[in-house]
Amino acid sequence: GQQLNQSPQSMFIQEGEDVSMNCTSSSIFNTWLWYKQDPGEGPVLLIALYKAGELTSNGRLTAQFGITRKDSFLNISASIPSDVGIYFCAGQLRSGGSNYKLTFGKGTLLTVNP
Amino acid sequence: GAVVSQHPSRVICKSGTSVKIECRSLDFQATTMFWYRQFPKKSLMLMATSNEGSKATYEQGVEKDKFLINHASLTLSTLTVTSAHPEDSSFYICSARGIRTPGTDTQYFGPGTRLTVL
Repeated sequence: GQQLNQSPQSMFIQEGEDVSMNCTSSSIFNTWLWYKQDPGEGPVLLIALYKAGELTSNGRLTAQFGITRKDSFLNISASIPSDVGIYFCAGQLRSGGSNYKLTFGKGTLLTVNP
Repeated sequence: GAVVSQHPSRVICKSGTSVKIECRSLDFQATTMFWYRQFPKKSLMLMATSNEGSKATYEQGVEKDKFLINHASLTLSTLTVTSAHPEDSSFYICSARGIRTPGTDTQYFGPGTRLTVL
């Protein structure tokens, strides 16, 4: 099946620093999603990308849908302590045959030191 | 935004009993609901996909007689873990996709249910 490679696996940064993480796939998707999960909670949608090349921002977060449709990155600028958590990328094929299933990356654990 | 709830948030049961977990879409109609399982420090593993009014589609390796899924209405899906054993202990998360969810075809997740089988 499809595999997503998400990197880095974990990051330890100082408050105020910028963060970048990315996902690559062995096959194409037509939607890329980025989620954040806090301990003991479900994932919360941060950004959704629907077109190749699309660059979308949500506050301090910026994500891009790669031109090849096989990759995406998420940037967080000026990190703050509440950014701590696990970030997941997810790819989706928007077709009835795929049942719109998501394929998840393995996650990036972000720790922000005050 | 689209809100998905799960109940209960946490359940502890004895080995051999069955446990039912509910997933509700509160402000939209969910044509499709998904059930995931997540182990500590791991990613989400899709267990099954359910479309309202039809049988669930299970992922390879997931026992359909063990994990019963019912999607009887456009706002409710249930997962029943039958004859639970300690190895079934996990964090179970549902997600929902609807016709009018904000953002085309986006899945919104519930807060998860922590199941502990003694």
